[in-house]
Amino acid sequence: ETGVTQSPTHLIKTRGQQVTLRCSSQSGHNTVSWYQQALGQGPQFIFQYYREEENGRGNFPPRFSGLQFPNYSSELNVNALELDDSALYLCASSSYRGRVGELFFGEGSRLTVL
Amino acid sequence: AQSVTQLDSQVPVFEEAPVELRCNYSSSVSVYLFWYVQYPNQGLQLLLKYLSGSTLVKSINGFEAEFNKSQTSFHLRKPSVHISDTAEYFCAAETSGNTPLVFGKGTRLSVIA
Repeated sequence: ETGVTQSPTHLIKTRGQQVTLRCSSQSGHNTVSWYQQALGQGPQFIFQYYREEENGRGNFPPRFSGLQFPNYSSELNVNALELDDSALYLCASSSYRGRVGELFFGEGSRLTVL
Repeated sequence: AQSVTQLDSQVPVFEEAPVELRCNYSSSVSVYLFWYVQYPNQGLQLLLKYLSGSTLVKSINGFEAEFNKSQTSFHLRKPSVHISDTAEYFCAAETSGNTPLVFGKGTRLSVIA
């Protein structure tokens, strides 16, 4: 069984640039959630995709956007990068049966904005 | 909205000593509770979970947590810690209705030899 994989693992951007982060979900999972983990903080929910549609969004501006593809992999796009966007971005996949799911996390993409 | 509070940001403890990491949640409706562990430079791994039934849940590596509805708590305990338990521990909660998982700020457990 293949776990959740994310790419790239590390990247450095400058303010105003755009970034795309990628995530391959665990085999058999149809839901992907993205979280932002700033240094010393817990993960903050950005949004979730279920069967290629956005299925919930946290308190993040529209310059954070995403996609989910037919194979359930996903992308997180961030436009007009700001210094505060520096963080570890975590992707988690799950397969909801009923109302409660357990998340399986990738190792994250560490973004540094200079 | 659901919120999760982890009362201690850092907990140092000597090897083989007991430890308790505290977690409180806010919601009074049906809630599902989780503890995740994050080792350095890694993603989060599920340690244990409470969905329903017995209020005491256990992990395979000796951790346990007890759901206390009256105290709105889900504290994590281990009777004897090892050096390898050094990590960041996150408490998380999800209310019914497919709401997103909400995390606390984490507790850094440092086990001292």
